[in-house]
Amino acid sequence: TQLLEQSPQFLSIQEGENLTVYCNSSSVFSSLQWYRQEPGEGPVLLVTVVTGGEVKKLKRLTFQFGDARKDSSLHITAAQPGDTGLYLCAGAGGRNRDDKIIFGKGTRLHILP
Amino acid sequence: EAQVTQNPRYLITVTGKKLTVTCSQNMNHEYMSWYRQDPGLGLRQIYYSMNVEVTDKGDVPEGYKVSRKEKRNFPLILESPSPNQTSLYFCASSFFSGAVYEQYFGPGTRLTVT
Repeated sequence: TQLLEQSPQFLSIQEGENLTVYCNSSSVFSSLQWYRQEPGEGPVLLVTVVTGGEVKKLKRLTFQFGDARKDSSLHITAAQPGDTGLYLCAGAGGRNRDDKIIFGKGTRLHILP
Repeated sequence: EAQVTQNPRYLITVTGKKLTVTCSQNMNHEYMSWYRQDPGLGLRQIYYSMNVEVTDKGDVPEGYKVSRKEKRNFPLILESPSPNQTSLYFCASSFFSGAVYEQYFGPGTRLTVT
């Protein structure tokens, strides 16, 4: 069974600190997406990474796709309370099933003011 | 405004009473999908559809049915709901482009089966 494992599950840090969350798998993915979900709402797409080693930046958020396309990381610089939420990674194209999507269980991030 | 809509947003029903949750998107997306989200289990794909009249099982299809007669609509049907189907359900849609799925999610339907 394909799995996307996210770590840590929970993270609570002070405003202004930096943090990194991880999304790991033993499978190769054609692409990985990162989403953020607020309580009571659907996930919202942040970024897609496609190429091994790719780095994308979204303001204070930096996303990286592993060279082997099996893992990804999200780094937040100078975290703010507005960054609080559930961060999910999702992958497609693993194990010859290009059309089936799996999600990690998420990292719940809480930024303390 | 580009969006995915789901109805109803909240539903309380009893075991065995058939129900349908509707999903509609206005972005002309080929790919549509249903997920359920449960504490500790995350988002799990129930069914997905690559295009009209093309559907396939996700990871947890038991107890659910779907249909895709029109490109914009993808209803989720529970023929005989059971309490273990109590969950938060999300519909999502995406263009299909070389295994890159940038999904837009609906607002969710919270279902309680008693």
